Amino acid sequence: AQRVTQPEKLLSVFKGAPVELKCNYSYSGSPELFWYVQYSRQRLQLLLRHISRESIKGFTADLNKGETSFHLKKPFAQEEDSAMYYCALSGTNTDKLIFGTGTRLQVFP
Amino acid sequence: DAGVIQSPRHEVTEMGQEVTLRCKPISGHNSLFWYRQTMMRGLELLIYFNNNVPIDDSGMPEDRFSAKMPNASFSTLKIQPSEPRDSAVYFCASSPRSVGYTFGSGTRLTVV
Repeated sequence: AQRVTQPEKLLSVFKGAPVELKCNYSYSGSPELFWYVQYSRQRLQLLLRHISRESIKGFTADLNKGETSFHLKKPFAQEEDSAMYYCALSGTNTDKLIFGTGTRLQVFP
Repeated sequence: DAGVIQSPRHEVTEMGQEVTLRCKPISGHNSLFWYRQTMMRGLELLIYFNNNVPIDDSGMPEDRFSAKMPNASFSTLKIQPSEPRDSAVYFCASSPRSVGYTFGSGTRLTVV
């Protein structure tokens, strides 16, 4: 079964601290993994995709097929990073995205 | 490009009333998705269309929910009759092909 697990509902850090938002997935084939961000009362926005291997707003995520993980990392958190972060999976031959339950990141000054 | 447009932004209705949510996808995107967001369950996929055809409606909670896409530029999600437990934010998203969705601003539905 396809599943995305984000074990932490809430992650609180101070400004400047490193951040790691955990995401584990279950999928029998070769998935595409995404991170979406939702700032307070705004629409969800695509943050990054594993295929593009890019860094957006200082965030990176590496797909680890052995551990079936796609953790989101940032070395130095900023207050403006406070938001809900959703990990999502898409399988081959389908447009459907399966989302995790999300992790709320709070960055304190 | 105005992005994915949803209306209304907010809807407050009484239990038992019919509610219709609307979505205009980005032109050229051939897939359209309806999601429901709640605190308890996060984002749940309700239904998605590809080239205006419903592909997967397994997430539609019950017969009170229905969705249509009469053409490539318009979709509706209808709840009839509405119940308080339907209160949530309903998002529409469109995608050209599994390259990441573009979401609308959502409709915040409150059923009292």
